[in-house]
Amino acid sequence: KNQVEQSPQSLIILEGKNCTLQCNYTVSPFSNLRWYKQDTGRGPVSLTIMTFSENTKSNGRYTATLDADTKQSSLHITASQLSDSASYICVVSGGGATNKLIFGTGTLLAVQP
Amino acid sequence: EAGVAQSPRYKIIEKRQSVAFWCNPISGHATLYWYQQILGQGPKLLIQFQNNGVVDDSQLPKDRFSAERLKGVDSTLKIQPAKLEDSAVYLCASSLERLAKETQYFGPGTRLLVL
Repeated sequence: KNQVEQSPQSLIILEGKNCTLQCNYTVSPFSNLRWYKQDTGRGPVSLTIMTFSENTKSNGRYTATLDADTKQSSLHITASQLSDSASYICVVSGGGATNKLIFGTGTLLAVQP
Repeated sequence: EAGVAQSPRYKIIEKRQSVAFWCNPISGHATLYWYQQILGQGPKLLIQFQNNGVVDDSQLPKDRFSAERLKGVDSTLKIQPAKLEDSAVYLCASSLERLAKETQYFGPGTRLLVL
């Protein structure tokens, strides 16, 4: 069964600290993996996308890694800011005719001053 | 570039009533998606359009949900009659094409509460 699991479910950190969010998937075939940020009351916004051959991708203070052998990905946030408070969703695409996305349940991050 | 527009932003109805949501995708985007996001969960795909044709509606509860994209641009999603478990955020997304490399751009969603 195609699944995307994320951990932790929620996380509270102090402003300025770093954190790492985890994503494990069992989607097959695999086309790409994205990390989305979803602010409260808004739709998800794409942060990074990685294909099978890529093992790291950065977007400002966000760095995503991908290990296609172990089917694991992580999102590292450096020097967190209050505006990083959001839900971070790992999304895997199996490609194919419909490009169906498999969404994780997300990690809810709260950055406190 | 304008983003994906959705309306209304919020809707409160009683069970067994009907409700409709509207979505206007990014100009030129051929693929349009409707998702249901229940609190604390990731979005679940309800239906996917390629232009005005349905590509995937396997998870759409067809006894009560319907969607159309008649002219291949904007789309409406209808629930008739609504149940309590339909309370969720309904997200619309669009992409240039339905290729795996294409990014899906999401609208702000419509938050539905069924009482």
